[in-house]
Amino acid sequence: AQKVTQAQTEISVVEKEDVTLDCVYETRDTTYYLFWYKQPPSGELVFLIRRNSFDEQNEISGRYSWNFQKSTSSFNFTITASQVVDSAVYFCALNYQELLKGFQKLVFGTGTRLLVSP
Amino acid sequence: ETGVTQTPRHLVMGMTNKKSLKCEQHLGHNAMYWYKQSAKKPLELMFVYSLEERVENNSVPSRFSPECPNSSHLFLHLHTLQPEDSALYLCASSPRDSYGYTFGSGTRLTVV
Repeated sequence: AQKVTQAQTEISVVEKEDVTLDCVYETRDTTYYLFWYKQPPSGELVFLIRRNSFDEQNEISGRYSWNFQKSTSSFNFTITASQVVDSAVYFCALNYQELLKGFQKLVFGTGTRLLVSP
Repeated sequence: ETGVTQTPRHLVMGMTNKKSLKCEQHLGHNAMYWYKQSAKKPLELMFVYSLEERVENNSVPSRFSPECPNSSHLFLHLHTLQPEDSALYLCASSPRDSYGYTFGSGTRLTVV
């Protein structure tokens, strides 16, 4: 069964602190994709990153970085020097549907609410 | 704007009403999805359309009726809903040749 676990329900930090959001996944597939999405109060889901199962290189994009470790089935997300605008709910998701079938399925974690105070 | 437009943004309806949610994308994507997001629950996939054909229906009650008249438009027709159906309903689309969704801003539905 496909499953994504985000054990941290809510995290509160003060601006400029670093914060790591945890994501652990379960899948029997050898080929899969992992995603992080941000959901601000307005409601839309904003795509942050996609990582395929064969690429374990860590990625950095500005203040965001991602640590993918297949050995522990984890795909953690770190925000460096957090800002108030980072306050949102962050979702980790697992894609397990083959693209050739014409559509995709995403299994989402329950999300982590990040509150960054000034 | 995200490329996927949902209307209305907010909807309040009585249990005997009939209403429709609309989703529109002009990204050239071939698949469209309805998700339900209830408070403190994971996003739940409701329906999937691929090239206007419904390919997935995740045991959704019949009071929710989807319609996909063409690859750019997706509707969710609502009738005789229950208060527990109050949630954020998100539409998404995806392309054929790469992984990843584009989500709309959602319709926040309240059933009274």
